[in-house]
Amino acid sequence: KAGVTQTPRYLIKTRGQQVTLSCSPISGHRSVSWYQQTPGQGLQFLFEYFSETQRNKGNFPGRFSGRQFSNSRSEMNVSTLELGDSALYLCASSLSQGAWDTQYFGPGTRLTVL
Amino acid sequence: AQSVTQLDSQVPVFEEAPVELRCNYSSSVSVYLFWYVQYPNQGLQLLLKYLSGSTLVKGINGFEAEFNKSQTSFHLRKPSVHISDTAEYFCAVWFSYGGSQGNLIFGKGTKLSVKP
Repeated sequence: KAGVTQTPRYLIKTRGQQVTLSCSPISGHRSVSWYQQTPGQGLQFLFEYFSETQRNKGNFPGRFSGRQFSNSRSEMNVSTLELGDSALYLCASSLSQGAWDTQYFGPGTRLTVL
Repeated sequence: AQSVTQLDSQVPVFEEAPVELRCNYSSSVSVYLFWYVQYPNQGLQLLLKYLSGSTLVKGINGFEAEFNKSQTSFHLRKPSVHISDTAEYFCAVWFSYGGSQGNLIFGKGTKLSVKP
């Protein structure tokens, strides 16, 4: 089975722009979660989608949003980019909803905001 | 506020020595506990998890962890480490709000460096 794929792998944007990241889960997985990883704050949970609905959300401002499509692929959007949004964005998929199910992580998208 | 604390940011250890990576979390009624590993230039991988039942949990690569509810801790141990265990280890706690609702909080990570 192919693993979790994320595109693009690297991205450079400037402040004020918006960005969309994509995540394709493992085939058959219906839950997709997004995380932000920075040297200062570490790994932080952004949100989880299951069956095209956001089920859980971390403590991030409304500039961070996402969606999930009927094929379970997910996109994450960040509007009005700030320098502090520079980070590695990780996506993880699992078979079912809930943290108790094993999550499989993708390689991440490295976003640099200039 | 919910929090997860990994007490050591870096742990150097010699090959074949035992190691313990510590993790404490803020008290909560219902939690699920996880340890993840991130090898250099690789993605995160689940090592082990505690959902319920026996407080001693065994994971991959010879790692184990013990859930201590009274101490709100979930320390990771390995009796004999190898060079290949060099990686960053993250403790994560799912604080449940009920049902499938909750928040997943990660510790800041512990970099394990195994020296020959």
